[in-house]
Amino acid sequence: LAKTTQPISMDSYEGQEVNITCSHNNIATNDYITWYQQFPSQGPRFIIQGYKTKVTNEVASLFIPADRKSSTLSLPRVSLSDTAVYYCLVGDTDSNYQLIWGAGTKLIIKP
Amino acid sequence: ETGVTQTPRHLVMGMTNKKSLKCEQHLGHNAMYWYKQSAKKPLELMFVYSLEERVENNSVPSRFSPECPNSSHLFLHLHTLQPEDSALYLCASSQDSSNQPQHFGDGTRLSIL
Repeated sequence: LAKTTQPISMDSYEGQEVNITCSHNNIATNDYITWYQQFPSQGPRFIIQGYKTKVTNEVASLFIPADRKSSTLSLPRVSLSDTAVYYCLVGDTDSNYQLIWGAGTKLIIKP
Repeated sequence: ETGVTQTPRHLVMGMTNKKSLKCEQHLGHNAMYWYKQSAKKPLELMFVYSLEERVENNSVPSRFSPECPNSSHLFLHLHTLQPEDSALYLCASSQDSSNQPQHFGDGTRLSIL
């Protein structure tokens, strides 16, 4: 099972681009990388998922280098409402129940 | 609105009580999950159901008993809980139990007296 390592916390300011990097050195061939966002007293919300290179949706981009041993979640022009905990997960394509949730990265956006 | 509804949102119970947590998903998904989130700890997967069959039970004490009567509903029956069981219990669903994005409810905050 691939374990992930993320910074415990990050600060940024409104309007800035925020990049959160996750390390997953023992990622397996079948593993996908998924990011979730969680606000206090709510369940996590799916942000983005990718296998390699770059994936972009309406809220974020995910950059994955060729060796796939890390990935970077990029949030463009953050606002105060982006203050949350962000989780990086690596999981096998065949099994959603082998995901390991870490402590996540607590992102604080300041005015 | 995530399409996954959990009730109640808050529950306080004594150690000798019996209660149930309910989860309902309106997304047409085939897999459902129970997680426990304690303060300052990562999410812990408790149970996984796929097409109403339990496919994973992560060494959860028998005082927690899941039930999945159909693909839209999931219950967690609680009996003789301990103070350390106080936590946020989250339900999630996904299209199937492969690496599909999970949709979470907002949880039940459980406090054991």
